[in-house]
Amino acid sequence: GAVVSQHPSRVICKSGTSVKIECRSLDFQATTMFWYRQFPKQSLMLMATSNEGSKATYEQGVEKDKFLINHASLTLSTLTVTSAHPEDSSFYICSALPGNSTNYGYTFGSGTRLTVV
Amino acid sequence: DAKTTQPPSMDCAEGRAANLPCNHSTISGNEYVYWYRQIHSQGPQYIIHGLKNNETNEMASLIITEDRKSSTLILPHATLRDTAVYYCIVRTNQAGTALIFGKGTTLSVSS
Repeated sequence: GAVVSQHPSRVICKSGTSVKIECRSLDFQATTMFWYRQFPKQSLMLMATSNEGSKATYEQGVEKDKFLINHASLTLSTLTVTSAHPEDSSFYICSALPGNSTNYGYTFGSGTRLTVV
Repeated sequence: DAKTTQPPSMDCAEGRAANLPCNHSTISGNEYVYWYRQIHSQGPQYIIHGLKNNETNEMASLIITEDRKSSTLILPHATLRDTAVYYCIVRTNQAGTALIFGKGTTLSVSS
């Protein structure tokens, strides 16, 4: 089955620094990847849609200059949280859609717990 | 706007069937019903999806009403490991369409 690997699983960083989160599709090519954020006891909130070779599409209210998304290949998308602040502490999750399917069970990564101190 | 309505929580005894309802009264003809679950501090896991026919796989069964305005996810023999938040989502099969999560149902399975 389709597997998505997300790394790191946990990261602690200091305020003002940047953190990069990687999302890899291990056994399929993903033309589209999605990034979500989840605060404690809340549901997943879609942040952006990442398309290979083009700019990401951000949801309303998500700062594109703060959350940099790069989808340079069909198997890798990265999310960089720039100048992180404590309020950016959250659970970040990526999801990938196989490139040859329009009706498929999306596969999710295991998530990254970001703590900004 | 929420496209689906689910009860916030449900309890189930281990070994019994868990029946999780979902209302999607405004579903369009080209929208599928998807079910995912999220165990604490993990990414969501795909369970099952369907358009209008009932579906069954190794994890669960999906029963969709004839008018497609509601559905029920059935876990035939719930175990403690099935304790999770269950999300019912409707979406089209258009490529590149993201899954939009509602609040889901927290299922607690106890022994």
